[in-house]
Amino acid sequence: QVQLKESGPGLVQPSQTLSLTCTVSGFSLTSYNVHWVRQPPGKGLEWMGVIWSGGNTDYNSALKPRLSISRDTSKSQVFLTMNSLQTEDTGIYYCNRNSVYWGQGVMVTVSS
Amino acid sequence: DIVMTQTPSSQAVSAGEKVTMSCKSSQSLLYSGDQKNYLAWYQQKPGQSPKLLIYLASTRESGVPDRFIGSGSGTDFTLTISSVQAEDLADYYCQQHYSYPYTFGAGTKLELK
Repeated sequence: QVQLKESGPGLVQPSQTLSLTCTVSGFSLTSYNVHWVRQPPGKGLEWMGVIWSGGNTDYNSALKPRLSISRDTSKSQVFLTMNSLQTEDTGIYYCNRNSVYWGQGVMVTVSS
Repeated sequence: DIVMTQTPSSQAVSAGEKVTMSCKSSQSLLYSGDQKNYLAWYQQKPGQSPKLLIYLASTRESGVPDRFIGSGSGTDFTLTISSVQAEDLADYYCQQHYSYPYTFGAGTKLELK
């Protein structure tokens, strides 16, 4: 069945770089788009970006200067990299396949 | 970027009530090429990932109870729950899929009266 699972460090220091992995199963990354969405504690959802099945990407314009999404199709993994982290980047980070299938999310805390 | 505005921000309901919530977009989500509205609704319960309820403004995702009804076109959309159940107490978000970035509304929280 279709599954997505996010992984990464729970704690990141301010100004450092966040690296998250979304490992998928049950489908091919060359056939479906994968999106990243985040949610600050107690707040709403923010769409971050997408990697298309063809490998192209689109980003939230507010995050674009410091955000990158890539993938390794052989490992069924999608990667999110975001630099210059600040406390307001604290939250749960989700990956999803075309909005239908979602991972459980990974909590990221930006703190010294 | 398209701005999505949801109202109300919270709503207190009793089981069995009919509930409506609104989502307005700053520009039309109706794509002229196929005459479809690129608007989705999600439900999120505490500690859970969002769940897709409705896409293309009015199409229920597989397995979603028929008490959830999406309607609207252009810039004005509504999610109706015909008879609220206890398990429907959650946060509800709309999101436009018309153009990148795929922006979300701020959400409507359904609470128990």
